[in-house]
Parts: sequence; structure tokens; C-alpha cells
Amino acid sequence: NAGVTQTPKFQVLKTGQSMTLQCAQDMNHNSMYWYRQDPGMGLRLIYYSASEGTTDKGEVPNGYNVSRLNKREFSLRLESAAPSQTSVYFCASSSTGTEQPQHFGDGTRLSIL
Amino acid sequence: RKEVEQDPGPFNVPEGATVAFNCTYSNSASQSFFWYRQDCRKEPKLLMSVYSSGNEDGRFTAQLNRASQYISLLIRDSKLSDSATYLCVVRPQGQNFVFGPGTRLSVLP
Repeated sequence: NAGVTQTPKFQVLKTGQSMTLQCAQDMNHNSMYWYRQDPGMGLRLIYYSASEGTTDKGEVPNGYNVSRLNKREFSLRLESAAPSQTSVYFCASSSTGTEQPQHFGDGTRLSIL
Repeated sequence: RKEVEQDPGPFNVPEGATVAFNCTYSNSASQSFFWYRQDCRKEPKLLMSVYSSGNEDGRFTAQLNRASQYISLLIRDSKLSDSATYLCVVRPQGQNFVFGPGTRLSVLP
């Protein structure tokens, strides 16, 4: 029972470098989400995908892009990393229906120097 | 006013104690409610959904008061392993999940 799988678990980048965070779920969920969590800030939604083929901005989308590659996979890309993007990134998925909870991956710790 | 508010704590309680957390939300259209726990440097994990009639899962009891727009979580007979941050999550109809900032609990031996 893999659930939501994120790769990599840790990454250190230099300012200006680009990278893609990968997320895959095996629960046949329609909706997928990317969050960042910073100390004292709680979870903040970056982008989400309500269903395959759609993506929408969340609360803090600047500096990020996403791709819903298929129903299982939702990637987050940093085109030109900045120190302000140092954070822990969580991917989550949920089934259709407002009453359905989210399930989280175990996170990617990203440091940008 | 933040959409979801929680007392940040920390709550420091001895083993075996009963502890209660409250959470208030501002959007009256909120339809679904959840409690998650998050251990240090780990992902949030679903503890329980919160139903209108209230629900219990072992030592954990969740209550919802729609009129006052608050949710509570009661933990009885606290264990050391209950030490974590507890996140209150609400979801308005047709909208995304809204997370509270979390309440930190430390259960002391």
C-alpha cells in the first residue's frame, strides 16, 4: 500500500537552478495537491489539480509550475529556484467528494542556497 | 480573521491526562471537517473525520458545533505516543481544504 509517493526526499539546490518534484498516487484519486510548509506558517496550497487534465493556482503559486501528467502523477517544477523557496513540500491526493479526506506523501525537504 | 484558528499551545500534560483542543472556523459554508496529526518532520496523517453527531475512535472523541462554528478533539488517557501537532482541517462545499496552524501536544512521563 504505497499511497502517495514523493521523490526526492531531500534536495539541495543553488539559487537559479531548476528541478522537478515528483508525486504519484496509487489510490485512483481524482484530485491532487501541492503544499509547502514553513515554520510558523502552516500548510499553504501552491497548486492543485481537481481532475486529470486540469490544474489551478492555490494560495502561493508564484515561482512554481505544475503538470498533471496522468491520473496518477502530479509534478511540481521550480524553474529558477530562490532561497525563499526553501521549505518542506508535501503532495496530497483525495477522492471525489467534499467529505473525502486528503492523504499525504512523506514530503520533500528542499534547501536552496 | 483567519479562516481556521487553533490555540497553538504547547499543551504539556502528564501521561494518563485528558486533554481537549478547540478549533474555530469562519466560513459558515464549511461542510467537511477533519483532525490530522503531524509528528515532527513528518507528513500530516488523518486522525479522524468529524461528523455532525460527533464521533469516537478509541481514546479520541471529536465534536462539531455548527451553530458556534467550532470543532473539538478530546484525547483521554494520554500516551507518550500522542505527542504531536494536531491540525484542524475544514472544507467548504466545492472548495479546497483549509488547514489550521496546529496545536502542539507534549505528553510527559
